[in-house]
Amino acid sequence: DIQMTQSPASLSASLEEIVTITCQASQDIGNYLSWYQQKPGKSPQLLIHSATSLADGVPSRFSGSRSGTQYSLKINRLQVEDTGIYYCLQHYSAPLTFGSGTKLEIK
Amino acid sequence: QVQLKESGPGLVQPSQTLSLTCTVSGFSLTSYNVHWVRQPPGKGLEWMGRMRYNGDTSYNSALKSRLSISRDTSKNQVFLKMNSLQTDDTGTYYCTRVPIYWGQGVMVTVSS
Repeated sequence: DIQMTQSPASLSASLEEIVTITCQASQDIGNYLSWYQQKPGKSPQLLIHSATSLADGVPSRFSGSRSGTQYSLKINRLQVEDTGIYYCLQHYSAPLTFGSGTKLEIK
Repeated sequence: QVQLKESGPGLVQPSQTLSLTCTVSGFSLTSYNVHWVRQPPGKGLEWMGRMRYNGDTSYNSALKSRLSISRDTSKNQVFLKMNSLQTDDTGTYYCTRVPIYWGQGVMVTVSS
């Protein structure tokens, strides 16, 4: 099974700050990596697909990057509405695996 | 537009079987895979299994002995059945057409 190691587990940042969340895949998954934001009581909402492609309607302050088997989600100019829990997902092969999540709070 | 909607009982007794239905619209089950994902309260997301477009299934090895996924293409429905439920099966169950489209989820509580 492919393991997705996500860090950090939690993050507290100020408004307008830049934050980065990373997921390390245990093996090659190509660009089959997505990033989601989840708010309480809601389904995960897609932010980034194919490692670097911004999903429809997602603000451009969100971006994704890849370096080998390390994937990063970057949020520029953090806003209040960016609070939530962020997950990565690899869907390169079954079983699909999620990162353990990053809880993002605003200071 | 693409939609997925889960339905099923909110309360299941321990040792009983959970039956959930995912009704899809806006796409064909013979063209796309549909997955089931669950989330215990306050915890992360867990992939349970999938129905492939060609009718094949794959399961999380931790659940495989208890889990069955099937479909009715004429009704645009994918079914999840999981037996021998325990309290740690409590959570929200989602169906999803990874990576974009997710259902709203259905909360399932396992309790007597």
